[in-house]
Formats: sequence, structure tokens, C-alpha cells
Amino acid sequence: DIQMTQSPSTLSASVGDRITITCRASETINNWLAWYQQKPGKAPKFLIYQASNLESGVPSRFSGSGSGTEFTLTISNLQPDDFATYYCQHYNNYDVTFGQGTKVEMK
Amino acid sequence: QVQLVQSGAEVKKPGASVRLSCKASGYSFNSYDLNWVRQAPGQGLEWLGWMNPNKGTTDYAQKFQGRITMTRIASISTAYMELSSLRSDDTAVYYCARGVLKGGFDNWGQGTPVTVSS
Repeated sequence: DIQMTQSPSTLSASVGDRITITCRASETINNWLAWYQQKPGKAPKFLIYQASNLESGVPSRFSGSGSGTEFTLTISNLQPDDFATYYCQHYNNYDVTFGQGTKVEMK
Repeated sequence: QVQLVQSGAEVKKPGASVRLSCKASGYSFNSYDLNWVRQAPGQGLEWLGWMNPNKGTTDYAQKFQGRITMTRIASISTAYMELSSLRSDDTAVYYCARGVLKGGFDNWGQGTPVTVSS
């Protein structure tokens, strides 16, 4: 099974910061990677698909990049609404695996 | 708009089974895979499996094979997930989520809390 490892586990930041979260796959995953935002008590929200494509309605300060085994989620000009936990997700025809999550908290 | 509405909270004893429902609206139920994901208290997201509502075919995460069953009643656009032989570590919020061809899960239900306790 493919393993997804996110870093860091927790990130302290301030409004206006630019932050980057990394997701590493245990083997090449051909860009089949998505990112989600989750707030306490709520279902995850779909942000990015195929590593770098922004889902409709998601603010442009969110961006994704990477290929092969290493991927990043970047939030530029962090807003108060962005403090949340972020998950990467690998998917293919047979399996789905989530990273363990990165909590973005207020510094 | 697309909506996935899940059934209410459940409390079960160890060894019992639980059957959760997920009613879809706002799109063609048969056209999108339906996934189930759970989240234990304070933990991350864990995928349980998916179902093709059109064909009724399923694929379960290896960890749950043998005690999970996903079904549907297409006429009422409702999917079901049954988990048997419940243990305390099955305590979690269970979500249904629509899978999309471009990859990922674009719409999620509100979640169903399941508590397993003696």
C-alpha cells in the first residue's frame, strides 16, 4: 500500500503569511493527489485535485504543486478563515490513502 | 445543489453491527462513485471503501474486508454502509463522499457519529 506522509504536523503562522505544507508518497503516484481543508466538527472541504488544479470556488491564494512522490500545498496571504487542518489524499482505481494531517494554528 | 444527507448518531455495543445511510440529491446518483471515510476522535481521515451505484460494484480497504458491506437503493438515491463485529476502536464519525473522475471527493455528507461502548 502507498503511504502518504505530511509535514509538518503542526504549523504556527500569522495572518498574511505564506505557508507551505508538504506531502510525500512512498512511491510515484502520477499526480493523483488531492488536498482538503477541515475545520473542527465539519466535513472536509475539497480544495485541489490532480496535484495542482484548484476546485471551483476555492480562493486563488491556495495552490498545489509537485509530481512523482513530493507535493506541496501553499497558502499565500493566510486569512483568518484558513486556520484549519489540511489533508493530502492519494487516489487510484483501487485504493485511497490520506496523509495524517497538518494543523495550521495561529501564532 | 449537490447534497449528501446522512442518518443520525448511533450507539452500539461491542460485537454488534451498524448500518448507516447516505441520501444523495441534486445530481444523478448512478453517475458518481460513493465513498465512505471515517475519523476517530482527534485522529485523521481513514478511507473504508467505495461503491459504484450504477453497477453495485464495491472495493473495500483491506483493513475492513470481511466485516464491511456497501449497498444502495437507486430508486431513492440512497447508499448504505454496514460495519459488523464492532469494536471500541470503531468509534468515529463516518462520512459518505462523492468521488469525481477528475480525482478526489468533491461533496461530503455531514457525518454520522458512531459510538461503540459496553
